[in-house]
Amino acid sequence: NAGVTQTPKFRVLKTGQSMTLLCAQDMNHEYMYWYRQDPGMGLRLIHYSVGEGTTAKGEVPDGYNVSRLKKQNFLLGLESAAPSQTSVYFCASSAFGSYNEQFFGPGTRLTVL
Amino acid sequence: DAKTTQPPSMDCAEGRAANLPCNHSTISGNEYVYWYRQIHSQGPQYIIHGLKNNETNEMASLIITEDRKSSTLILPHATLRDTAVYYCIVRSIQGAQKLVFGQGTRLTINP
Repeated sequence: NAGVTQTPKFRVLKTGQSMTLLCAQDMNHEYMYWYRQDPGMGLRLIHYSVGEGTTAKGEVPDGYNVSRLKKQNFLLGLESAAPSQTSVYFCASSAFGSYNEQFFGPGTRLTVL
Repeated sequence: DAKTTQPPSMDCAEGRAANLPCNHSTISGNEYVYWYRQIHSQGPQYIIHGLKNNETNEMASLIITEDRKSSTLILPHATLRDTAVYYCIVRSIQGAQKLVFGQGTRLTINP
């Protein structure tokens, strides 16, 4: 089991460029999440999904879009990147049920110049 | 979800028990206490969770006070690999599993 994987690991963008971050999990989890972490801060939830074809906003959704076309994948899109979106992005997944732990990916370090 | 308060940093000697406190005085009856840790910029790792009884697993023990307003995570024999930021999170078991991370406690294990 690879668990939760994220692509790419690093990326540098110029202001206004777009990109998509890919999260994949092989644990057949229903729930998936995207977080961002700024230096010295805890993680903040951007968007999440409780199942294939469904998405919902988290704490800091502005400037991001997501899609969950397949159960195992959760895509995070930046349509027009801004320097304020420079951060480390973590994806996570969890099994159906409120008690279950979240499994996190290794993160994507994004710099927007 | 209830807000938590943790000390920003702690030190512990290798081989000793590390006791990490967390205050969650506004916790409500349907909220659980979760602990995660983050080792040097890696993705967070689940440690343990509990409602009102003390819990133990292969990684740690969780002691929750009777009034549930505070808890302590115990790493019984800390090693250098336990150096990390530890997050105490309180969340409702209802609805989606949205975790709200504070700034956590930076635990340093010293040789």
